[in-house]
Amino acid sequence: DAKTTQPPSMDCAEGRAANLPCNHSTISGNEYVYWYRQIHSQGPQYIIHGLKNNETNEMASLIITEDRKSSTLILPHATLRDTAVYYCIVRVVSNYQLIWGAGTKLIIKP
Amino acid sequence: NAGVTQTPKFQVLKTGQSMTLQCAQDMNHNSMYWYRQDPGMGLRLIYYSASEGTTDKGEVPNGYNVSRLNKREFSLRLESAAPSQTSVYFCASSERGTSYEQYFGPGTRLTVT
Repeated sequence: DAKTTQPPSMDCAEGRAANLPCNHSTISGNEYVYWYRQIHSQGPQYIIHGLKNNETNEMASLIITEDRKSSTLILPHATLRDTAVYYCIVRVVSNYQLIWGAGTKLIIKP
Repeated sequence: NAGVTQTPKFQVLKTGQSMTLQCAQDMNHNSMYWYRQDPGMGLRLIYYSASEGTTDKGEVPNGYNVSRLNKREFSLRLESAAPSQTSVYFCASSERGTSYEQYFGPGTRLTVT
């Protein structure tokens, strides 16, 4: 599976949109982009995933560039409860293994 | 609907002791996973079970064994604990299909002295 690169930390003001970038320049055509988050050492929580189209659900939006080499997770109205480590992962859908990096620590400030 | 449950929540072992971490899910998922997470790191897959009756090694299987007892339960055994196995252990489950969204338990914090 392709590797991902994320900034180690980011800040965002409460109520603003949080935009978390991820680079996956070696992604191949059958690899999906997944986002999970982990709040204060709890079990990770699935957020969203996509292949090449932009995706939106009740938690977030995922924007994937046309060349699929990078993506951005958008939390539209960040709250203090969104403070967490966010992981960007790429995987072949038939492969059960998720390869986790160190993620981005997002801090939402009042 | 409890989701994924893990027992115990905390455990302290002495080097050489053995123990079994228990995991159960009530979502009727086919696949189950065991991960470990060391401080400041992402998760690493120890073992997984794609379906009842099958188990496969992940990234870091050495020192561990697993048993898929039935569709609901997947246990992780440390036969002879070592300080290097001090970590937080997470169990997860998922359904097959294009999503492969994994649902995680709350974790077991294990310290080996």
